[in-house]
Amino acid sequence: EVQLVQSGAEVKKPGESLKISCKGSGYSFTHYWIAWVRQMPGKGLEWMGIIYSDDSDTRYSPSFQGQATISADKSISTAYVQWSSLKASDTAMYYCARLRTAGESDMDVWGQGTTVTVSS
Amino acid sequence: SYELTQPPSVSVSPGQTASITCSGHKLGEKYACWYQQKPGQSPVAIIYQNNKRPSGIPERFSGSNSGNTATLTISGTQAMDEADYYCQAWDGSTAVFGGGTKLTVL
Repeated sequence: EVQLVQSGAEVKKPGESLKISCKGSGYSFTHYWIAWVRQMPGKGLEWMGIIYSDDSDTRYSPSFQGQATISADKSISTAYVQWSSLKASDTAMYYCARLRTAGESDMDVWGQGTTVTVSS
Repeated sequence: SYELTQPPSVSVSPGQTASITCSGHKLGEKYACWYQQKPGQSPVAIIYQNNKRPSGIPERFSGSNSGNTATLTISGTQAMDEADYYCQAWDGSTAVFGGGTKLTVL
């Protein structure tokens, strides 16, 4: 079964750092792009960026460039997004998703989501 | 930056046809796709490359894309189709989501 399994919920304070993960299984992880998507409470989906783990080629949405860092470790089929200094406005559900194909593709497999709460 | 516009809400009676639009500059020259998200769940792809249905998605879901508008059509809408629906397209190497449409089946 093709699946993406994300790390568990996090509660952090403003200014703290955080790295959440997304582990792929059931397919060749290095042959597909992985996207990260933010969903703030009660709001819509926002595309953060993508990474191709085979060569770590990474693209960011202009809205998220410099706000978070996307990375991957192909040896363990895992993608990450990390923050060096969290803000309350980073409170959201974060999803990873696999792009069906290269190029203009939809996202055909989604993780279960990781809830990040940033509060003092 | 590229924007996709959806109506915030659409209502439909059970068994009727629901249409949800997604508008963007020359959207018809891009591939549009659609996701369904039910409360507390991850999004699910229901239409890709304008009009293709992934395996397991019911035939009542269909898509089209022309000019500046992509349309998701749900024929014979069922109560289980009540959900949020998002369109998505690419602007160069960046993906963009529409704001989402809440479909109410009443």
